[in-house]
Amino acid sequence: AQKITQTQPGMFVQEKEAVTLDCTYDTSDPSYGLFWYKQPSSGEMIFLIYQGSYDQQNATEGRYSLNFQKARKSANLVISASQLGDSAMYFCASGYNTDKLIFGTGTRLQVFP
Amino acid sequence: GAGVSQSPSNKVTEKGKDVELRCDPISGHTALYWYRQRLGQGLEFLIYFQGNSAPDKSGLPSDRFSAERTGESVSTLTIQRTQQEDSAVYLCASSRTAGNTEAFFGQGTRLTVV
Repeated sequence: AQKITQTQPGMFVQEKEAVTLDCTYDTSDPSYGLFWYKQPSSGEMIFLIYQGSYDQQNATEGRYSLNFQKARKSANLVISASQLGDSAMYFCASGYNTDKLIFGTGTRLQVFP
Repeated sequence: GAGVSQSPSNKVTEKGKDVELRCDPISGHTALYWYRQRLGQGLEFLIYFQGNSAPDKSGLPSDRFSAERTGESVSTLTIQRTQQEDSAVYLCASSRTAGNTEAFFGQGTRLTVV
């Protein structure tokens, strides 16, 4: 069975600084994907970034990058140049695709001025 | 519509009553997903549809839970004889097709069973 572990219940970062949110995964599937979602206080889940297990390069999307270390089974999210609007819950998830995602318990990020 | 729409946004019901939660996916999206999020937890997969068929219902927690989809559009999640442990936010998402890597979520229905 797949399992996602997010060990940081809360993180603080100062505006304009970079922050890393940790995620480790456990899967026996030979092919899988790793996803990060942002959940602001309004409740909807916003897709941020995706990394396929066979992708050679780390995924990047604007200020978001995924530090994928396959041997360590980690898929940390790096947010550069944090903004106040980045304050939210962040969820790591895994799955072959979006058809059945397994989510972690999330990290609450607070960005302060 | 422009995004995934869920209704109602909030629902308070008495223990033992049945409830129906509705999801309108993004127009043209053939895949639709239901998740449950208990307070302070991550999302738990319930069921997904490709078209009107549900290839994977493995996440439905009991036979009190059922879901259907018609016209490759609207989906309804029904919870019969609600229990207090059913209290959660129920999130719906849609994707252009199954097997995709991006899904768009609605804002959820907050269900409270009293």
